[in-house]
Amino acid sequence: GQQVMQIPQYQHVQEGEDFTTYCNSSTTLSNIQWYKQRPGGHPVFLIQLVKSGEVKKQKRLTFQFGEAKKNSSLHITATQTTDVGTYFCAANFNKFYFGSGTKLNVKP
Amino acid sequence: NAGVTQTPKFQVLKTGQSMTLQCAQDMNHNSMYWYRQDPGMGLRLIYYSASEGTTDKGEVPNGYNVSRLNKREFSLRLESAAPSQTSVYFCASSEQGIIQPQHFGDGTRLSIL
Repeated sequence: GQQVMQIPQYQHVQEGEDFTTYCNSSTTLSNIQWYKQRPGGHPVFLIQLVKSGEVKKQKRLTFQFGEAKKNSSLHITATQTTDVGTYFCAANFNKFYFGSGTKLNVKP
Repeated sequence: NAGVTQTPKFQVLKTGQSMTLQCAQDMNHNSMYWYRQDPGMGLRLIYYSASEGTTDKGEVPNGYNVSRLNKREFSLRLESAAPSQTSVYFCASSEQGIIQPQHFGDGTRLSIL
């Protein structure tokens, strides 16, 4: 079954609007990774979070790991058309599980 | 430096046929993985190899076998293909284990009729 729940499944935004995707687990995670997959492409690693409450930034992207290490979020400020793609979280439960992804569409 | 190379990129099989998907990495990584990706399902781990000489089942191993031929190569075999195995297959590698970032190949798009 699905170990990691990711919401929303789809998000359509106007260019310049913000975007957030959430990843939730019922189990405490040792670490969480985020990947981006462009249409027709392969997943590309973005970042890994390890510490409780950790916040990391990459330009317009902000990644957070919850205090209880059961949830995580990716926030994009002022989306651009280059942000189009599917964003996946991936978590370690002895084996590796990917969330089902959030597909982001950005209208110019 | 090619990273992770998968062959073939596309394949169409008939039900019952067998097929081996090839994967090679040139990053000297210890760990390698096979995933399948179906619409709306994200990526699901089929098998992984933590290091040369070891393989372990992932979330969806039934109907597949793997071989870690050497440190560079990790192949996935479908012995008797079924329509339910129609999917996009990704190979990935990481420096050491699942706590490290994974580097993915471009995928193999497999259709089984």
